[in-house]
Parts: sequence; structure tokens; C-alpha cells
Amino acid sequence: EPEVTQTPSHQVTQMGQEVILRCVPISNHLYFYWYRQILGQKVEFLVSFYNNEISEKSEIFDDQFSVERPDGSNFTLKIRSTKLEDSAMYFCASRGTSGIEFFGPGTRLTVL
Amino acid sequence: EDQVTQSPEALRLQEGESSSLNCSYTVSGLRGLFWYRQDPGKGPEFLFTLYSAGEEKEKERLKATLTKKESFLHITAPKPEDSATYLCAVADNYGQNFVFGPGTRLSVLP
Repeated sequence: EPEVTQTPSHQVTQMGQEVILRCVPISNHLYFYWYRQILGQKVEFLVSFYNNEISEKSEIFDDQFSVERPDGSNFTLKIRSTKLEDSAMYFCASRGTSGIEFFGPGTRLTVL
Repeated sequence: EDQVTQSPEALRLQEGESSSLNCSYTVSGLRGLFWYRQDPGKGPEFLFTLYSAGEEKEKERLKATLTKKESFLHITAPKPEDSATYLCAVADNYGQNFVFGPGTRLSVLP
């Protein structure tokens, strides 16, 4: 069964450093998403991506964040200068024609 | 602004003790209501989609129902392996993203 994959599973970084989180969505899906979940809190929408551009973004997704689909399979989230409060689980999701979003296993980002 | 609340926040059941989880929502034009299961440290796992009031979906010991204001996830004769956090999310007709509720943390004791 096709699934969304994410790498790395855990990323530890120093405050102020740049991180890139990687995702491989399900192959025939056209809509891609990033969500985050701070420990003990709800899953929060960050950004959606369709047709090679951002279609929607939340207030959380400020100038420190960017997304890219560098080739036909990968979808990346870059945080330019990490802050302590960026520590969270980051989930990638993709959606096809069914309307259902399928989530990856997440990347745990720890900012020290 | 779309909003989703879930109750209870946490629920402890004995194995075999049936119960229901509630998801209340306000949304401007419901595209769909989605139930997910999330195990600790893992991504949400899709369970059900409901699109219109009166709709019901079933899978093993779980049954989801939908009204115009809320959805219920009924768990019949639960087993310890049903222990997880159950998340409800809504999508409206105007945006593409989901709005998630805070979840109900279910523990089923043997």
C-alpha cells in the first residue's frame, strides 16, 4: 500500500541553524501539506502546495519557512533560522482525488 | 473561522466496555469530516470520512456518525489495542487544509 515517507525521523539542531525536512508523498497525489504538532498540543496546519506553488498558508508559516518540490518526488520544508519554539513533530501529508489526506510518520525536530 | 472541539479529553475503558467520543464543529460549508487515529510518536492514521449529515461508516469495532454540528465515534467492545488518541478534523469548501481538534486520548485496560 502506498504511503508517505519522511526523513529524518529525528533532527536535533542548534538555535539559529537551518534545517530541511524531507517528504516523499504518495506518487499520484497532487496536493501536499505540512503540519506541525507541538508536544501535547493539537495538529496545526502550516502550508499547502499545489501545482508547484503555495496555495494556502497559516500565520505560523512566516518568512522563516519555505517549501519546495525540487523534483517529481520530494517535497521539502525549510526552516531558515530555527528557534526553540520550532521544536515539534512535523508531519507531511498528501492528498489525491479521494479528498483524504494521508500523513507521514513525522520528523521530530528538537532545537537546542 | 472553522473550529473543532473534542470530548472527553481522556477516556479510560475496561476491555469490552463500549463508549462514544464526541467531535463538535463549526465550519462554513463542510467539505468533509475526518477521523484519524494517532499512536504516540506517530503520524495520524486515516479511519473515516463523512460528508453529509446522517452518514455513517463502520470499520471493525468503530462506527462514525455525523450530524450538522457534531460527529460521534462509537467504540463497541474495545480491546487494549484500540488505545490511542483519536483525532477529528474538518475541511471546508473554501480552503484545502484540515482543522484538527485536540483529540481524545483513549486507554483500554485489559
